[in-house]
Amino acid sequence: GAGVSQSPRYKVAKRGQDVALRCDPISGHVSLFWYQQALGQGPEFLTYFQNEAQLDKSGLPSDRFFAERPEGSVSTLKIQRTQQEDSAVYLCASSLNGARNEKLFFGSGTQLSVL
Amino acid sequence: QQQVKQSPQSLIVQKGGISIINCAYENTAFDYFPWYQQFPGKGPALLIAIRPDVSEKKEGRFTISFNKSAKQFSLHIMDSQPGDSATYFCAAPSSGSARQLTFGSGTQLTVLP
Repeated sequence: GAGVSQSPRYKVAKRGQDVALRCDPISGHVSLFWYQQALGQGPEFLTYFQNEAQLDKSGLPSDRFFAERPEGSVSTLKIQRTQQEDSAVYLCASSLNGARNEKLFFGSGTQLSVL
Repeated sequence: QQQVKQSPQSLIVQKGGISIINCAYENTAFDYFPWYQQFPGKGPALLIAIRPDVSEKKEGRFTISFNKSAKQFSLHIMDSQPGDSATYFCAAPSSGSARQLTFGSGTQLTVLP
């Protein structure tokens, strides 16, 4: 596709529900990142994939957060037993080669609201 | 853990004026400092980046100035236009991983017509 695509665009969940957020990176991009952006703040790193391998998950805030990229393209970020503090925009980004300091291409994000 | 401090939080300039946004970072073993621009409802988009083997990089109306000894870098937008109204984020690689970017808290720029 022309850019990074994320779905759904908006998600409303009741506290305690599980949610799954999808990311379609730019075709051929090796690296994929998830970031969390709270209202009025900068993005915060969650996790990083190179192809299907999750190389860094140090930013995941708790074991309720889980990400996968089983075939090295589409990725899913799953949040179990959602809490109000999980409300944020979840951004996915991809880059071409997985090299250091590469340009990141961000999607428009999924805005998650937990009631 | 890398910290990036960005100022000001918000900035209002007249059309044609100069917008200046500042960032300070902590120790890092990696030398790559990007600025991202974000419009409402969109993801951040890379605007300009610098590797501080140079002290300044210019692309069109956008310039990054870098002071390695002070661990500071700034974005200058010359001849600011209403279309530049957006939120700007500086970033720096995290101490442990060049693939983790730590972002500043953002500067909301408004350019008045």
